[in-house]
Amino acid sequence: GDSVTQMEGPVTLSEEAFLTINCTYTATGYPSLFWYVQYPGEGLQLLLKATKADDKGSNKGFEATYRKETTSFHLEKGSVQVSDSAVYFCALSDPRGSTLGRLYFGRGTQLTVWP
Amino acid sequence: DGGITQSPKYLFRKEGQNVTLSCEQNLNHDAMYWYRQDPGQGLRLIYYSQIVNDFQKGDIAEGYSVSREKKESFPLTVTSAQKNPTAFYLCASSLRAGGMLTEAFFGQGTRLTVV
Repeated sequence: GDSVTQMEGPVTLSEEAFLTINCTYTATGYPSLFWYVQYPGEGLQLLLKATKADDKGSNKGFEATYRKETTSFHLEKGSVQVSDSAVYFCALSDPRGSTLGRLYFGRGTQLTVWP
Repeated sequence: DGGITQSPKYLFRKEGQNVTLSCEQNLNHDAMYWYRQDPGQGLRLIYYSQIVNDFQKGDIAEGYSVSREKKESFPLTVTSAQKNPTAFYLCASSLRAGGMLTEAFFGQGTRLTVV
């Protein structure tokens, strides 16, 4: 079945450091891939998405490229800020399949950025 | 502003009692979902619904029930049969466009504590 594996946390960085959070997936169809972010005590916010192979999603300085050959969707940011501290979730869905667009999530990666 | 509203934000329940969590959306989205989040884990799907008066069990439906009598509303009842109900519950919705389901948008969550 469909599944997502993402890098275990926590990740602790200094401000302006480079961030990578690894994410790989297993899917039977042609999934869409997402990164969601969760701030303490809140729901999930969509950070970026990619709907087909080689697409690059980007938002707020974060980027991720849909790599079908390596079944990966790694999240990167060139220079993190204290305000980026949150939990990041990689997820996939099959938008056309019988699973009605449900999301399959990784376990989440806690990011803490120190000034 | 369009969005998904979950209420209440915090909920306390005595063991043996049923409790209903509210989820309302004014985005005119077709599909709605309930996820459960436990510390250190990803989100797990409880129930989902694509159209009014129809819904499907997710991965952890035991001890939960839902209804979808209106397009904008998808309440979740946590019954006394749910053995470990203390968790953070997240409602989400997505739009069907061109035969596909788009990315999911999330509410702010309800934290349920059994006392």
